[in-house]
Amino acid sequence: TQLLEQSPQFLSIQEGENLTVYCNSSSVFSSLQWYRQEPGEGPVLLVTVVTGGEVKKLKRLTFQFGDARKDSSLHITAAQPGDTGLYLCAGDDKNRDDKIIFGKGTRLHILP
Amino acid sequence: DVKVTQSSRYLVKRTGEKVFLECVQDMDHENMFWYRQDPGLGLRLIYFSYDVKMKEKGDIPEGYSVSREKKERFSLILESASTNQTSMYLCASSRGTREAGELFFGEGSRLTVL
Repeated sequence: TQLLEQSPQFLSIQEGENLTVYCNSSSVFSSLQWYRQEPGEGPVLLVTVVTGGEVKKLKRLTFQFGDARKDSSLHITAAQPGDTGLYLCAGDDKNRDDKIIFGKGTRLHILP
Repeated sequence: DVKVTQSSRYLVKRTGEKVFLECVQDMDHENMFWYRQDPGLGLRLIYFSYDVKMKEKGDIPEGYSVSREKKERFSLILESASTNQTSMYLCASSRGTREAGELFFGEGSRLTVL
């Protein structure tokens, strides 16, 4: 059972466009993280959201945690080729003793 | 700069060989983890450790063992490598339970078993 569903699985857009990717679950999370992974490298932590409804900004990236702490979104404004990578969400599942679970990721490709 | 270092970026081994993957972190983190990452399957937790000499099975421990003799070092052992263990192996560390979700990953070790 996939507890964290990420959508879309793949996304290829032109430089300068905006995009949103989603991370959804039926479980409630104590916290949720977003990571970016480039080919051949390990994932790098981008942000942690903890409070329901929380919005965090990291330059052109905006992260939102759902009010019920079951879902999250990542919005990128004016995408650049450097944003290319695999975006993973991960959460501490309260139904599994706060064990960390990962979504399968959204593979984003920004065309120059 | 904080760091998780994995000993080998690329390894090629033969079926039946014993394989050691080493991981060292310099952040004084209590928790350490080993994942494997495969296309279409995402990251799957093999083993984790919350303290020195402690280890707990993750979701796919079969065919693997681990060792944590020192706080900074967490080793993954494949006793007898098989072709289905060809994968990208990722080590990660994190602080105590409050920040358990914030993982710091190494660069990964890509293992090919022939």
